[in-house]
Amino acid sequence: DSGVTQTPKHLITATGQRVTLRCSPRSGDLSVYWYQQSLDQGLQFLIQYYNGEERAKGNILERFSAQQFPDLHSELNLSSLELGDSALYFCASSVAPGDKETQYFGPGTRLLVL
Amino acid sequence: GQSLEQPSEVTAVEGAIVQINCTYQTSGFYGLSWYQQHDGGAPTFLSYNALDGLEETGRFSSFLSRSDSYGYLLLQELQMKDSASYFCAVKNYGQNFVFGPGTRLSVLP
Repeated sequence: DSGVTQTPKHLITATGQRVTLRCSPRSGDLSVYWYQQSLDQGLQFLIQYYNGEERAKGNILERFSAQQFPDLHSELNLSSLELGDSALYFCASSVAPGDKETQYFGPGTRLLVL
Repeated sequence: GQSLEQPSEVTAVEGAIVQINCTYQTSGFYGLSWYQQHDGGAPTFLSYNALDGLEETGRFSSFLSRSDSYGYLLLQELQMKDSASYFCAVKNYGQNFVFGPGTRLSVLP
């Protein structure tokens, strides 16, 4: 158990819908990262927040957005969902950027878009 | 562009030593990380190299050569539980993390 929690574990929805994935980092970790893992694209970095502020942006679609709240939990919002958005979405946390870059991954949310 | 290359599959027997290579081409480079992921599980951090040389952590070691844009993960005294996928990842100047396609390691009895 990494100490990072993600909800829900599974999500089934339809094309065109909007969903919100939630992540609670390990106690004391200030940085949160979001990743998408699909069979054909591998593990893709989406976005990073540090202490409430966006720090880095990767291959995140405009239909996707994220935020980190004052209590440090984070949410990833996916809208206008397409079949290709079906994937595992991981959240990871670290104490701070540069901390040997050790990221602790949550168990993931498996999203299925029908 | 940015790319990392790893062998897609490696097979070895219990007790053996295996090396998983990673070559990278990225816009800037801060360091190379390695992660292990069992089927159905989440990635688990193994190691991070920012400087050239070898880092050892128990049965696992990781090596980096910045001049060659190359690194490897060395697993010694292989155990069945080491069967998993292993990913290298680079942190580039945009603070982005770029992951390799992963190497599936199968450990045979």
